[in-house]
Amino acid sequence: AQSVTQPDIHITVSEGASLELRCNYSYGATPYLFWYVQSPGQGLQLLLKYFSGDTLVQGIKGFEAEFKRSQSSFNLRKPSVHWSDAAEYFCAVRGGGADGLTFGKGTHLIIQP
Amino acid sequence: DGGITQSPKYLFRKEGQNVTLSCEQNLNHDAMYWYRQDPGQGLRLIYYSQIVNDFQKGDIAEGYSVSREKKESFPLTVTSAQKNPTAFYLCASSIGLAGLDEQFFGPGTRLTVL
Repeated sequence: AQSVTQPDIHITVSEGASLELRCNYSYGATPYLFWYVQSPGQGLQLLLKYFSGDTLVQGIKGFEAEFKRSQSSFNLRKPSVHWSDAAEYFCAVRGGGADGLTFGKGTHLIIQP
Repeated sequence: DGGITQSPKYLFRKEGQNVTLSCEQNLNHDAMYWYRQDPGQGLRLIYYSQIVNDFQKGDIAEGYSVSREKKESFPLTVTSAQKNPTAFYLCASSIGLAGLDEQFFGPGTRLTVL
């Protein structure tokens, strides 16, 4: 069974600073990997996804993520955060079957002025 | 506007009562999913459906039931057998069955058991 670990429960970043959110996954084959963002009390919005090809994936809102097979990681980055980026971020993995996503426990991003 | 709607936004239930959460999509998606979210726990899959009249248990199906009589609707019933039902429930859908198909999420229903 697949699993996802997001080691950081909370991260605080100053506005304008760079951001990296960590994600490690466990899956026997090449996984489908996703990053979602959730504002308080809302549903989830997809930021980006990866399955194959270029290991650096560009997403919406200026986010990117890099897949590193050797480290089983799929870290999310943004060069300069904005106050509106404050939210909960979830990394998720999906196997090859037509079932649901397996989510990490999330990282809560706080933006300092 | 295409999307997923969930109702109600907030739901209160007394212990021992069954309650049904609504999920409707007008995206013409084949697959639909129910997730449960608890604080600090991420999302966990309850049930999913690949096609009308077919559904599969997810990781935490005990105490829940679903139906898929129409393509656009996938209601979730939280039964009295669910020991800790207070949570945020999210419905999602995807166009097809491929692993890379994006899952679109509804706004969620917050269920509180009194």
